Amino acid sequence: GIQVEQSPPDLILQEGANSTLRCNFSDSVNNLQWFHQNPWGQLINLFYIPSGTKQNGRLSATTVATERYSLLYISSSQTTDSGVYFCAVVTGRRALTFGSGTRLQVQP
Amino acid sequence: SQTIHQWPATLVQPVGSPLSLECTVEGTSNPNLYWYRQAAGRGLQLLFYSVGIGQISSEVPQNLSASRPQDRQFILSSKKLLLSDSGFYLCAWSGLGASGRNEQFFGPGTRLTVL
Repeated sequence: GIQVEQSPPDLILQEGANSTLRCNFSDSVNNLQWFHQNPWGQLINLFYIPSGTKQNGRLSATTVATERYSLLYISSSQTTDSGVYFCAVVTGRRALTFGSGTRLQVQP
Repeated sequence: SQTIHQWPATLVQPVGSPLSLECTVEGTSNPNLYWYRQAAGRGLQLLFYSVGIGQISSEVPQNLSASRPQDRQFILSSKKLLLSDSGFYLCAWSGLGASGRNEQFFGPGTRLTVL
């Protein structure tokens, strides 16, 4: 099956810093989503981005489908950005295959 | 707007006891529904998915089963829980998101501890 790899596995930032999270996938995909899992476990949809670039406030994402990777940018990080960020891709069965996540801790 | 509910929010069960977790979706019809499990705070694993009433596909051989008795209801069950069934169980549905394309949306989850 398709493999999804995320890096780095853990990241500690000071408030106000910028960061880039990476997601590599091993095959062509129809759908790619980024999620933020907050400390209570809720998965929050950030981006649907099978290709191209999107921005939402301090967050932006870019997917280069031909090279099989996606990047999530967080600018001016805040403590509320802490949690785990997941990249997930859709395979033919239309279910999501998740990466192992990047655990982000933003310190005040 | 669409919402997805799961209950209970937390559950502590002894080994060998039965299990029933429920997921319901509001505000949509004929959704695709999914059960995922997350262990140790990392990585979600697909357990079951359903494209319609009574239609269940299993992804991983295990001690669990799923049923879809109604269009917007998805149930995860076990006859006898094992210690390894502990984890965070998330239900999801897929439908049109703000992107205008099919996205998956997740419920709040059930945290299961088997003792």
